[in-house]
Amino acid sequence: QVQLVQSGAEVKKPGASVKVSCKASGYTFTSYYMHWVRQAPGQGLEWMGIINPSGGSTSYAQKFQGRVTMTRDTSTSTVYMELSSLRSEDTAVYYCARELVVVAAQGWYYYGMDVWGQGTTVTVSS
Amino acid sequence: QSALTQPASVSGSPGQSITISCTGTSSDVGGYNYVSWYQQHPGKAPKLMIYEVSNRPSGVPDRFSGSKSGNTASLTISGLQAEDEADYYCSSYTSSSTWVFGGGTKLTVL
Repeated sequence: QVQLVQSGAEVKKPGASVKVSCKASGYTFTSYYMHWVRQAPGQGLEWMGIINPSGGSTSYAQKFQGRVTMTRDTSTSTVYMELSSLRSEDTAVYYCARELVVVAAQGWYYYGMDVWGQGTTVTVSS
Repeated sequence: QSALTQPASVSGSPGQSITISCTGTSSDVGGYNYVSWYQQHPGKAPKLMIYEVSNRPSGVPDRFSGSKSGNTASLTISGLQAEDEADYYCSSYTSSSTWVFGGGTKLTVL
């Protein structure tokens, strides 16, 4: 079945970096874009960025520019999200979510984030 | 990019209908038909309920519907059921080739 399996919980000190993985299975990895979304405790969803696993192109939220890097490994169908210079406000659950994006003669079609990973808790504390 | 504006909470009784609004700008909601809605139960990952303003993925009940007028998108749930009680988030593609979420709406089924 289609699933996204994320790496386990992390505890980091302020100033450190964290790298979260998201392994895809059950579908053609390069056919779906992958978003990263985070949710701080008791807060709403926050979009961080997106990667196209086919070519590796990325787009990041302005808030995270310079601090976030999204990469992929097509040989293992895995995408990665690395966040650097961590601070306490980065404590959150981090999710990966796939989205089908189709480019047709009539234009672009976006089919929504239809499969989500189980979430990875990242705690930043001294 | 500012978050889209949603009401913090809405409520309704079983069987009733409710509507959740999602207000953005001409650079996101108003400029594209790429609005999605997500349902999130406590401690769970979000679930896609609506994509491209009004399309329902397979398996989502037709009690859920979406629409858009100008810079405001809406999610309507008819025939409210107890299991609909959850947080709901809208999302939109933006002119910066990024995505943005709304602040979320807590739905209470009375």
